[in-house]
Amino acid sequence: DGGITQSPKYLFRKEGQNVTLSCEQNLNHDAMYWYRQDPGQGLRLIYYSQIVNDFQKGDIAEGYSVSREKKESFPLTVTSAQKNPTAFYLCASSLGQLFGSAKNIQYFGAGTRLSVL
Amino acid sequence: GNSVTQMEGPVTLSEEAFLTINCTYTATGYPSLFWYVQYPGEGLQLLLKATKADDKGSNKGFEATYRKETTSFHLEKGSVQVSDSAVYFCALKGDSWGKLQFGAGTQVVVTP
Repeated sequence: DGGITQSPKYLFRKEGQNVTLSCEQNLNHDAMYWYRQDPGQGLRLIYYSQIVNDFQKGDIAEGYSVSREKKESFPLTVTSAQKNPTAFYLCASSLGQLFGSAKNIQYFGAGTRLSVL
Repeated sequence: GNSVTQMEGPVTLSEEAFLTINCTYTATGYPSLFWYVQYPGEGLQLLLKATKADDKGSNKGFEATYRKETTSFHLEKGSVQVSDSAVYFCALKGDSWGKLQFGAGTQVVVTP
C-alpha cells in the first residue's frame, strides 16, 4: 500500500535531549512537509522540502532541524533549543512543483505525539 | 499574507441533522481551497477540494462551493452520522506550488 509512515506513534523527550521523528513515504513524491499541531489550533509549518538535498524553513523552524538525503525520507529532529516541544507532529508529502498547483495535493501521515518527561 | 478563518467549535449535532461549517479566506491571486478531516488520534485526510471559482467539491455526502465574491468555502452535509464526528480543517493553497495555510479547525460532535 502506498502511503506515509510516521514513527514512533508516541515519543517522550527528557530535558536537554534531542529526539528524531521519522517520516517515510512510498508515493514517489518530490515534496515533503512537517507540521506542528497544538490543541485547538490549526497546523503550523515547520520545514518543507521541494526536492532531495534541499529544504526551507517554514513559519516556526526555530528549535527544529531536518535533512532530506533520500527522496522517501524526511526526518525531523526536535532539539533541546525547542523549549515547548509537546505537540502532535504531522508529516505530509505531495507530487512537487513540476506538476502544477492543482495536482499538488498534500497527503498526511498518522502523526507522532511528542511529550516531555 | 494568506489566511483562513473558520467557525469555532465544538459544533454538537444530533444524528441526521444538517451541518454547516463556515470558512472564509484572504488571499492574493487564485488560491485552491481544501477541506481536510481529522479523526481522533489520526492524521489528516483530504475530504474535498476546489481549484477555481464556482467549483463545487464533494465527497462522502459533504459539499463545498468556492465563492470568490464572498471569499468563502463553507462545508455542508445534509444528514450527519455519528461517524462524522471529527475535526474539520479548511485550508488554502495560494499561487505557490505546495504550501498550505490552515484554519484553526472545527470540532464536530454528532450524538445518536
